Amino acid sequence: GDSVTQMEGPVTLSEEAFLTINCTYTATGYPSLFWYVQYPGEGLQLLLKATKADDKGSNKGFEATYRKETTSFHLEKGSVQVSDSAVYFCALKSRGGATNKLIFGTGTLLAVQP
Amino acid sequence: DAGVTQSPTHLIKTRGQQVTLRCSPKSGHDTVSWYQQALGQGPQFIFQYYEEEERQRGNFPDRFSGHQFPNYSSELNVNALLLGDSALYLCASSSGGSPLHFGNGTRLTVT
Repeated sequence: GDSVTQMEGPVTLSEEAFLTINCTYTATGYPSLFWYVQYPGEGLQLLLKATKADDKGSNKGFEATYRKETTSFHLEKGSVQVSDSAVYFCALKSRGGATNKLIFGTGTLLAVQP
Repeated sequence: DAGVTQSPTHLIKTRGQQVTLRCSPKSGHDTVSWYQQALGQGPQFIFQYYEEEERQRGNFPDRFSGHQFPNYSSELNVNALLLGDSALYLCASSSGGSPLHFGNGTRLTVT
């Protein structure tokens, strides 16, 4: 079945460092891909999305490009801030399904130190 | 504009008991999905409701059941609670193919 694999955390960075969180997927066809962020004690917030190959999703300085050839959707940010500390989830929605059910990775904890 | 609201925020139950969790979707949304997030894991899809019907179900036993009301709000019921049911239960709402909007969840602890 469809699945998402994320790099394990925690990822610990200093403020203003470059961030990459790797995400690869396995799916039939061409799914839509998402990054969600979860701050402590809160639910998930949609960070960005891409619906077809070579699409680039971007929001709040974060970017991810849908790479069909490598089945990847890595999350990047050029300069992280302490306020970016959270758990990041990569997710996919299978194409053609009856619902918008999401399949999530296990999450990557990001800790940014001042 | 209120987002997705869930109640209660925290709940402690004993093994074998039953629990009901509640969710009000974001205004304008007609579809409600429920996810279970175990500690340190990603959310797992339980089921989705649309037009008061269960539209799709994940790999969860029949102890997990749900309901959607005419005002689109929803309940998740879990019977015969097990220790392994301890988790954060997330409700998400949407309309059509829009991205999911999540609530802050209900933290269920089974002792």
